[in-house]
Amino acid sequence: AQSVTQLGSHVSVSEGALVLLRCNYSSSVPPYLFWYVQYPNQGLQLLLKYTSAATLVKGINGFEAEFKKSETSFHLTKPSAHMSDAAEYFCAVSVMNTGFQKLVFGTGTRLLVSP
Amino acid sequence: GAVVSQHPSRVICKSGTSVKIECRSLDFQATTMFWYRQFPKQSLMLMATSNEGSKATYEQGVEKDKFLINHASLTLSTLTVTSAHPEDSSFYICSARQRFNTGELFFGEGSRLTVL
Repeated sequence: AQSVTQLGSHVSVSEGALVLLRCNYSSSVPPYLFWYVQYPNQGLQLLLKYTSAATLVKGINGFEAEFKKSETSFHLTKPSAHMSDAAEYFCAVSVMNTGFQKLVFGTGTRLLVSP
Repeated sequence: GAVVSQHPSRVICKSGTSVKIECRSLDFQATTMFWYRQFPKQSLMLMATSNEGSKATYEQGVEKDKFLINHASLTLSTLTVTSAHPEDSSFYICSARQRFNTGELFFGEGSRLTVL
């Protein structure tokens, strides 16, 4: 069964510092992988997705992620954190179940940005 | 971009009453919609998958008679929490996939249900 693991429930960085949020996946077939961001009391917004094209994926708000098959990883990075980046981030993998494609989410990582 | 709207964003109800939450795709046809439940500071747990014109497929452990899902049109799915109890209090989020599947889901803003 496909799954994702997010290491670290909380990550704290200073404004301007590098952001690194970790995600490892488990899949017996080539996966589709996603990163979503959630602000308090809101739904999820797609940051970026990997769908078997380029392994380095660029998303919105300066985020990017690299698919590394050898490491089964899809870590999210941003060179310079901004206060507005403080939010909950979810990694997800797309799986087929009973004929339908659905997303399985990781447990989430809360990004804290200090001045 | 594709927009999914949920209504209401917040609802408070008394124990024993039923509550309906609507999920609409505003500018695209959604053949498949998903309903998630999110407890405080936790991830999203898929409750059910609904396809237009057919019965919803519920995840293991989700009571289909308690959480009624209807997907009557290509732009509207509803979740009805029947005979709600305090333990049903949660953040419910819907998502939708466009007719021509790209793997991407578009999420609603979520609905916070509080059962007194």
